[in-house]
Amino acid sequence: EPEVTQTPSHQVTQMGQEVILRCVPISNHLYFYWYRQILGQKVEFLVSFYNNEISEKSEIFDDQFSVERPDGSNFTLKIRSTKLEDSAMYFCASRPDGAGFYFGAGTRLSVL
Amino acid sequence: GENVEQHPSTLSVQEGDSAVIKCTYSDSASNYFPWYKQELGKRPQLIIDIRSNVGEKKDQRIAVTLNKTAKHFSLHITETQPEDSAVYFCAASGSGAGSYQLTFGKGTKLSVIP
Repeated sequence: EPEVTQTPSHQVTQMGQEVILRCVPISNHLYFYWYRQILGQKVEFLVSFYNNEISEKSEIFDDQFSVERPDGSNFTLKIRSTKLEDSAMYFCASRPDGAGFYFGAGTRLSVL
Repeated sequence: GENVEQHPSTLSVQEGDSAVIKCTYSDSASNYFPWYKQELGKRPQLIIDIRSNVGEKKDQRIAVTLNKTAKHFSLHITETQPEDSAVYFCAASGSGAGSYQLTFGKGTKLSVIP
């Protein structure tokens, strides 16, 4: 069964550094998402992406965040200047038209 | 925007008993309601979903019911087993064409006691 893949599985960074989290959505999917989950809390929506542009973003997704689909397969989340409170599990998800969401295994971001 | 409330936050049951988790949602336009199981440190795994044109759906020991009038939906697990122990999240979204996003509940930590 095809899967959403995410790299790295764990990223450790210093506060103020830039990080890029990478995702490869399932190939025939049209809609791409980033979610985050702070330890012990619920999964929160960050941003959705369709047709090479952001379609919706949450309050969490401020100017420090950006997304990109640099080629036909990768979908990246960049955090420009990380803060301690950015420490969380970041999940990428994708879905085709009319169907459910498929989540990647996540990247654990630790900001020190 | 959509708001999903989930209860209880923790649930302990004896092995073999049933477990029920309930969710309510606020946006009457939502028409897709998945349930995810998340084991520690793992991705949310879709276990069952229901769309608003259906009132109930069953898959072996798992069933989901939807009351669209009351805006609530429930997960029922029968004959629970220790491997059912996990955090369960309900969610709601639109569906079909369009960049709908999932809104999750806060999760229910289910513990099945052998």
